[in-house]
Amino acid sequence: KQEVTQIPAALSVPEGENLVLNCSFTDSAIYNLQWFRQDPGKGLTSLLLIQSSQREQTSGRLNASLDKSSGRSTLYIAASQPGDSATYLCAVRPVGDMRFGAGTRLTVKP
Amino acid sequence: DGGITQSPKYLFRKEGQNVTLSCEQNLNHDAMYWYRQDPGQGLRLIYYSQIVNDFQKGDIAEGYSVSREKKESFPLTVTSAQKNPTAFYLCASSEQSGANVLTFGAGSRLTVL
Repeated sequence: KQEVTQIPAALSVPEGENLVLNCSFTDSAIYNLQWFRQDPGKGLTSLLLIQSSQREQTSGRLNASLDKSSGRSTLYIAASQPGDSATYLCAVRPVGDMRFGAGTRLTVKP
Repeated sequence: DGGITQSPKYLFRKEGQNVTLSCEQNLNHDAMYWYRQDPGQGLRLIYYSQIVNDFQKGDIAEGYSVSREKKESFPLTVTSAQKNPTAFYLCASSEQSGANVLTFGAGSRLTVL
């Protein structure tokens, strides 16, 4: 059964810092990996989708990488801002339904 | 604007009552999903539907029921058989099941009194 782990569970950084969030999964047979942002009490907003044949995707200050063979993905946030404070979740789609990590709660201090 | 609408946003229920959470999408997506989110845990799949009049159980279907009579609607009923129903419920959709992006609603928070 696919297991998804996100480390760290929580992260606090000063504004302007570059940071990396980690996601690992146990089964490399996936269709894609998706990173989401969730604000408190809200739904999930899709940030980046990486298909299994891709190695990375970029959107603005965000860059996500995928290494299927090692079962890892990273989300890189450049020049962090207080507005980036949220919980970030990764999810993989294996054969079957999507599997989610528990998320990393990010706080960016002004 | 296209999207997914969940209602109500907040719901309180007494023990022993059934409640129904609404999920409507105008994205013309084929597949729809219901997830449950508990603090410190990843989302867990309750039910999903790939096409009208068809749905499958997810990991934690016990105590829940769904219907898919229309493409745009996928309501979830939390029955009295669900022993721990207090949670945040999220509805999602995708063009098809498989390698497509999931789009989420804003969620419904259910509290059992």
